[in-house]
Amino acid sequence: NAGVTQTPKFRVLKTGQSMTLLCAQDMNHEYMYWYRQDPGMGLRLIHYSVGEGTTAKGEVPDGYNVSRLKKQNFLLGLESAAPSQTSVYFCASSLTGEGKAFFGQGTRLTVV
Amino acid sequence: SQQGEEDPQALSIQEGENATMNCSYKTSINNLQWYRQNSGRGLVHLILIRSNEREKHSGRLRVTLDTSKKSSSLLITASRAADTASYFCATDRMDSSYKLIFGSGTRLLVRP
Repeated sequence: NAGVTQTPKFRVLKTGQSMTLLCAQDMNHEYMYWYRQDPGMGLRLIHYSVGEGTTAKGEVPDGYNVSRLKKQNFLLGLESAAPSQTSVYFCASSLTGEGKAFFGQGTRLTVV
Repeated sequence: SQQGEEDPQALSIQEGENATMNCSYKTSINNLQWYRQNSGRGLVHLILIRSNEREKHSGRLRVTLDTSKKSSSLLITASRAADTASYFCATDRMDSSYKLIFGSGTRLLVRP
């Protein structure tokens, strides 16, 4: 039982490049979330999903897109990376929207 | 803007002392959760308190919730060096579709 797994763990992108971050959970959770964390700050919600096939915008959605084609996977895409998107990205999942969330170990992304 | 704000931003105490962190939020909530983050790692759930509860205990943790003041506190008793971490509160708002919003966190240093 792996919990929440994020790939990749590290990535360096050049400005304008695109990439997709993958989050996979094996707990049959309905809710999944993508957050970014900048130095010395808390987590800011980018996008979230309340079930397979659904997505919704969070606090800072600009420059990101997401998809939830399968219940266990939540993908975060950067179409044209910018230096302002340098951050640590965390994925989380929860059984219900009110309950305990389980986090992945994070993806450290640097855009140069 | 972020729903929760922790206070203080940073706290340094001696091993064996108690540590108290506070969280204030802006809108009505269903529940409030506290999470811990060791440096560079994913967040780990500590405790959840529902909006109709006033106090909850878990081991050396004590959480209080005052919905009239829109605030919560986390008390760690008899702190240990291993408690050194950042602590975040998270809320899900009553008027939203259960998106989990985090505060800015308190960095706790427990000196041996």
